[in-house]
Amino acid sequence: GEDVEQSLFLSVREGDSSVINCTYTDSSSTYLYWYKQEPGAGLQLLTYIFSNMDMKQDQRLTVLLNKKDKHLSLRIADTQTGDSAIYFCAERGDYKLSFGAGTTVTVRA
Amino acid sequence: DTGVSQNPRHKITKRGQNVTFRCDPISEHNRLYWYRQTLGQGPEFLTYFQNEAQLEKSRLLSDRFSAERPKGSFSTLEIQRTEQGDSAMYLCASSPINQPQHFGDGTRLSIL
Repeated sequence: GEDVEQSLFLSVREGDSSVINCTYTDSSSTYLYWYKQEPGAGLQLLTYIFSNMDMKQDQRLTVLLNKKDKHLSLRIADTQTGDSAIYFCAERGDYKLSFGAGTTVTVRA
Repeated sequence: DTGVSQNPRHKITKRGQNVTFRCDPISEHNRLYWYRQTLGQGPEFLTYFQNEAQLEKSRLLSDRFSAERPKGSFSTLEIQRTEQGDSAMYLCASSPINQPQHFGDGTRLSIL
C-alpha cells in the first residue's frame, strides 16, 4: 500500500477512545474503508465513507474525512479488549482496494 | 448469507509443486477479487472478475499464476512451480458492483 500510509502501532487503555489515522494519495478515490483483522483471520469490514462526506458515525465508530488533506481517521469510543487487532485503511478507485500496512491496536487493562 | 468461503485454510507444499485454492463468494455477488497479503503488510490486489470475465490482472500476477471463474460463481487460483516468495496469505473478496468488498478468512500458503 505505498499510496496509503498509517502509523504502525497504537496502545490504548480499556475504556478510553482510540484514534487511528491514515493518509492517502489518490484524489479520485470514491470510497474509503476501514477493515479489522484478527490473528489468522481475513478482513472484516468495519465501516466506510463516501468521498463527498466529512463524517460518518456508526455506534462506537466515528470516521472523519479531510479530503483537502487526504486524511482519514477512525475513532473507537470506549475501547474494549475485543478491539485488539490490526486495522487497515483502504481507498478504492474504480474497482480495486489499495491498503495501508495496518495499525496494530493493543488494548491494555 | 454465509459469507465468503475459502479452501483450504492452510496449505504446506514443497518448492516446485503446483497448488490450487478455491473461493466461494457470497451468493449473487457479481465481482470476485483475489489479494495477496505478506507478513506485516496490507493486502495487495492480484486480479478480479465480473461474473465469469477476468477484467484486470496486477503485474504482481506472474505467468505462473492463473485464476478462473468458469460459471461466474466460485473461483480458483492456481500457482504453478511454487517458489519461496509465494508464501503468503491469499485472500478472496466479493461484492456487488460498486459496493463494499467482503473478505474470506484466506488460505495461508507455506512453501518448504
